[in-house]
Amino acid sequence: GAVVSQHPSWVICKSGTSVKIECRSLDFQATTMFWYRQFPKQSLMLMATSNEGSKATYEQGVEKDKFLINHASLTLSTLTVTSAHPEDSSFYICSAVGQNYEQYFGPGTRLTVT
Amino acid sequence: ELKVEQNPLFLSMQEGKNYTIYCNYSTTSDRLYWYRQDPGKSLESLFVLLSNGAVKQEGRLMASLDTKARLSTLHITAAVHDLSATYFCAVVSGGSNYKLTFGKGTLLTVNP
Repeated sequence: GAVVSQHPSWVICKSGTSVKIECRSLDFQATTMFWYRQFPKQSLMLMATSNEGSKATYEQGVEKDKFLINHASLTLSTLTVTSAHPEDSSFYICSAVGQNYEQYFGPGTRLTVT
Repeated sequence: ELKVEQNPLFLSMQEGKNYTIYCNYSTTSDRLYWYRQDPGKSLESLFVLLSNGAVKQEGRLMASLDTKARLSTLHITAAVHDLSATYFCAVVSGGSNYKLTFGKGTLLTVNP
């Protein structure tokens, strides 16, 4: 089946620094990828839709200047959390749209901001 | 705005028993997904239901979709401990082919 990878799987950073998370579709091309955030014991919240070759579409309430998304190729989307603060600590999950309407989820990146 | 409601949110059941998780959604959609999430892990795709009346089965899990009632069910047959996990349904949002709105999830615990 289709595989989506994320890197890093976990990261600890200091408040005020920036962190980049990569999402790759390993064996298929994805023109559309999604970025989600999940807080403990909660559901997934869609942050933005990442479209290859165009600007990302952000959900209401998500700061586009804080969460920078770049979909530079058909297999790679990146999410950069700028000037991270402890409240940005969360589990970030990407998904990529494959064939037959399937969405394949990456393994997630656990971000801890100290 | 599309709303997706799952119930129950918490389910504790004994091995060998049957139970159903319900997923209701508020606006028209013809595509619904079920996912499983283990603690600390990402989502594992279980089913994609694409049309009214769709029924899919995998092992002890069976999912169905009634688009007219805006209802999907995930039925668990003869539960085993390995099925303990959080189950999410997700519905494609109107006006988008792929944007998903998730339910809150059902935390299933299967006790020996």
